[in-house]
Amino acid sequence: AQKITQTQPGMFVQEKEAVTLDCTYDTSDPSYGLFWYKQPSSGEMIFLIYQGSYDQQNATEGRYSLNFQKARKSANLVISASQLGDSAMYFCAMREGQRDDKIIFGKGTRLHILP
Amino acid sequence: NAGVTQTPKFQVLKTGQSMTLQCAQDMNHEYMSWYRQDPGMGLRLIHYSVGAGITDQGEVPNGYNVSRSTTEDFPLRLLSAAPSQTSVYFCASSYRWGQGGNQPQHFGDGTRLSIL
Repeated sequence: AQKITQTQPGMFVQEKEAVTLDCTYDTSDPSYGLFWYKQPSSGEMIFLIYQGSYDQQNATEGRYSLNFQKARKSANLVISASQLGDSAMYFCAMREGQRDDKIIFGKGTRLHILP
Repeated sequence: NAGVTQTPKFQVLKTGQSMTLQCAQDMNHEYMSWYRQDPGMGLRLIHYSVGAGITDQGEVPNGYNVSRSTTEDFPLRLLSAAPSQTSVYFCASSYRWGQGGNQPQHFGDGTRLSIL
């Protein structure tokens, strides 16, 4: 069954340090995509990065990169050189392609960047 | 650029009342979905639709109905509101997997719903 797990409810990180947010998933669909979104305290959902199941390279977008380990079914988000503005809720999401095109989210990780 | 428009932004209901949360998008997205967000639970999928006339259940569909008569609109109906349905509701739209599955969902601003 389609499942997304984020095991870190909250994290505290010093400004300018790198941070890794964990995401594991489960699916029997060979075609799927993984997304990361950021939700600041204002509530809007901001798309950060995408990784497809057939992508050979790990996705990168500016300070964001995705550590995709397909065999381990993990898709961890790495934020380099963290900033105070990175303090937010972060969600991992998965979309199955061949089955029913359902998009589900993990429970999220609340990241606090300390000055 | 309207994107995804949700109305209302806030609503207070009494137990047993019914209401419809409206969602409209102007991006010609075939895929639309409804989520509820509760503290510690993330976003949970209520219902979704891959096109006009097609709807399907998500993770937590009980107590909610949807219909999709047009590409643009995807209303969510609470048939008999219960306190457990107090939540923030998000509507989202995107391309279908086969048309752009790597594209992110566009989210509305959310509806904060309280059931007394």
